[in-house]
Amino acid sequence: DQQVKQNSPSLSVQEGRISILNCDYTNSMFDYFLWYKKYPAEGPTFLISISSIKDKNEDGRFTVFLNKSAKHLSLHIVPSQPGDSAVYFCAASLWVGTASKLTFGTGTRLQVTL
Amino acid sequence: KAGVTQTPRYLIKTRGQQVTLSCSPISGHRSVSWYQQTPGQGLQFLFEYFSETQRNKGNFPGRFSGRQFSNSRSEMNVSTLELGDSALYLCASSLGTTSYEQYFGPGTRLTVT
Repeated sequence: DQQVKQNSPSLSVQEGRISILNCDYTNSMFDYFLWYKKYPAEGPTFLISISSIKDKNEDGRFTVFLNKSAKHLSLHIVPSQPGDSAVYFCAASLWVGTASKLTFGTGTRLQVTL
Repeated sequence: KAGVTQTPRYLIKTRGQQVTLSCSPISGHRSVSWYQQTPGQGLQFLFEYFSETQRNKGNFPGRFSGRQFSNSRSEMNVSTLELGDSALYLCASSLGTTSYEQYFGPGTRLTVT
């Protein structure tokens, strides 16, 4: 059962435009959400996060929006740059015992074209 | 501060063999998590170790096991390899207390033939 879903396997956006990556989840007990970026032959790197008590978090060109009623979060990248081309994973945190366990989506491959 | 390191980076094994992968976390990080990444499946959680104890476990068969040493370094072992075990195995470290963020190594690419 995939509790975190990224329904778009790929996305192509022109340089300078906005990129919007979407993520849906099913478990209302998730308390924290994160976005990771992954380049080929490298491990994922942390990008931005948001607590479940907030609906927006911004960091430079990156903004994450959380809609708890819809169980949906999105990552906005404005303006998109060629260096943003990568696979983006959303992840949701759930406390299991004394530890936070992350559940990842399947990823969306973003290509920013010139 | 050095990042998470994983060895080896690439590995080719034959069905039925076993394999051990190693992960050295960021200095000061006490939690190490392991993930399997395959095309179309995203990152599947294997297990997490904190202070030499397994705290969480994913839905993988018993052929997958791990351990953590007193210096927080961790190893993952897969016995009786199957073709479907071919994947990128990622290790991530974190402080392990209230921090949600995990820091990933570059991964070990395992190919089973």
